[in-house]
Amino acid sequence: AQSVTQPDIHITVSEGASLELRCNYSYGATPYLFWYVQSPGQGLQLLLKYFSGDTLVQGIKGFEAEFKRSQSSFNLRKPSVHWSDAAEYFCAVGAANDMRFGAGTRLTVKP
Amino acid sequence: GAVVSQHPSRVICKSGTSVKIECRSLDFQATTMFWYRQFPKQSLMLMATSNEGSKATYEQGVEKDKFLINHASLTLSTLTVTSAHPEDSSFYICSASRIQETQYFGPGTRLLVL
Repeated sequence: AQSVTQPDIHITVSEGASLELRCNYSYGATPYLFWYVQSPGQGLQLLLKYFSGDTLVQGIKGFEAEFKRSQSSFNLRKPSVHWSDAAEYFCAVGAANDMRFGAGTRLTVKP
Repeated sequence: GAVVSQHPSRVICKSGTSVKIECRSLDFQATTMFWYRQFPKQSLMLMATSNEGSKATYEQGVEKDKFLINHASLTLSTLTVTSAHPEDSSFYICSASRIQETQYFGPGTRLLVL
């Protein structure tokens, strides 16, 4: 069975600092992997996705993620966080018709 | 591209009434649409998956007579919460996808049942 684990429920970083959000998955085949961001009271916006090919994926808003098959991980990174990045981040795994979401990581950005 | 809209964004209704929420894919044809429910500070809970022209597939524990889903066209799906009660108050989010593609999410609908 496929599943997603986001070990960190809440992370606080200072504005301008680097960020890494962790995501580990369990999947029987080569996974499709996604990161979404959700601002309060809003739907989910796709940040980036990995289907195949280069394991370092670039997304919108300066985010990137790296697929590491040996570690079953797909961590999200950003070199310099902006206050507007404060939101809830969800990692997801699976095909479009069978997607599993992690519990989410809430990011707080300190001035 | 890949924009999904939901209407209404917020609705307040009396207990016992029915509420319809619309989900539209604005710039693509969605072969599959999904309905999620999200409780405060929690992840998304998949309620049902619907394919155009077919009956929706409901997740275990979701009452199909309570949450009626219609997917009449490749751009429109509706969720009707029938005989709503306060415990149905929640944030409902739809998403849409093309075959084997990414899910694109709507902005969500906040339902409050008084």
